[in-house]
Parts: sequence; structure tokens; C-alpha cells
Amino acid sequence: SQTIHQWPATLVQPVGSPLSLECTVEGTSNPNLYWYRQAAGRGLQLLFYSVGIGQISSEVPQNLSASRPQDRQFILSSKKLLLSDSGFYLCAWSVGAGLTDTQYFGPGTRLTVL
Amino acid sequence: AQSVTQPDIHITVSEGASLELRCNYSYGATPYLFWYVQSPGQGLQLLLKYFSGDTLVQGIKGFEAEFKRSQSSFNLRKPSVHWSDAAEYFCAVGAHNNDMRFGAGTRLTVKP
Repeated sequence: SQTIHQWPATLVQPVGSPLSLECTVEGTSNPNLYWYRQAAGRGLQLLFYSVGIGQISSEVPQNLSASRPQDRQFILSSKKLLLSDSGFYLCAWSVGAGLTDTQYFGPGTRLTVL
Repeated sequence: AQSVTQPDIHITVSEGASLELRCNYSYGATPYLFWYVQSPGQGLQLLLKYFSGDTLVQGIKGFEAEFKRSQSSFNLRKPSVHWSDAAEYFCAVGAHNNDMRFGAGTRLTVKP
């Protein structure tokens, strides 16, 4: 069966520090991968999605970036965190070229920027 | 691009009462529609989805949703709410280009 992992589960970082959040998927090949952010009291905002290694699409301009160095690994990064980067970050995966498949979510990373 | 609106930010119901969570979407073609649930501090879990066919969709945990094209709606219902249903619920609409948009969510509180 497929599983999705995210780490760390929680993170507290000072403003201006770098960030690296990792997401890995097991049990499937060539998944579509997604990074979402959920700010306090708000819904999910799609940040990035990837349909293959090295293929990243960005939905919103920001100081975050994403990379997909391996088929089932998706990394969210920042060189310098802002206070507004605080939130709950969710990674998700799906299979297939269209949305006939469901997105499956990881447990999330709670990021607090102080 | 498609969009989705959940008009109710927070709903409180008594345990055993019926529930309806509203979802309205905007999309030029027949959308793919989803309802997800998020327990506190957790990721999202799929409750049900609609792609085509029967407009009344049954999901897990006793939930159902009905797609009404004329109203651009996909409301989630449950006949009798349990305390464990307290969570945040997200409606999502998917387009044919693999794009997915989520609503802002509705937080459900269940009173004993």
C-alpha cells in the first residue's frame, strides 16, 4: 500500500533562517506531488505541484521554492523565512494525468516562524 | 480557473442532529468534486468524490453529498452527527487540467 511521509512534524525557526521540508511517498511510481499551505483559520493554498522529476509548477509568487530530486521525493525550501511563512504545510500525492484520482495527504508540518 | 466557496466558516450542531455543509463551485465544465475532512493537527482524509454518474454520492463515516448542476453545489450531509465528527471539512473542485482548488473550510463543532 501507498504511504506518504512528511518531516519534521513541527518546526520553530527564526525569521531569516533557511527552511527545508521533506515529503516522500512509498508504494507508487511517478506520482503527482503537491505542496499546500494552510494558514491559521484559512483554507488550503496550493503552492507547488510536480508531475515528474525536475518538473515544478508554482501557483503563487513567494520566497519559497520546491524541488523534486527523485521520483517520490518532494522538498519545500526557503533561503530566508518570513513571519508570514508560518502555517501548516501539507504534502499530497495523486496518480494519473488528470483528476480521476484522489489526492492523498501527508500528516503535515507545523511551521512557526518567530 | 475553477473556484469553490464554502459559505459557512463555523457550524455547531448537537450530537444526533442532522448536518449539511454547503459547497458552491464555479467551473465551465463538469467538475470533479471532493469532500475532505481534517481532524485537529492532522492531514486531510477523503470522505467522498464525484466524477460522473449518480449525483448522490455515498462516502465513508456515513456521509453523503449531492451534486446539483443547476445550483453549482455539492453539499455534504449526514443524518446523525457523532461527537467524533467534530473537525474541519473542505470542499474541493478539480479541473480537467489536473488543477485542484480547495474551499476555505467549515469548522464543525458537535455539542453533547
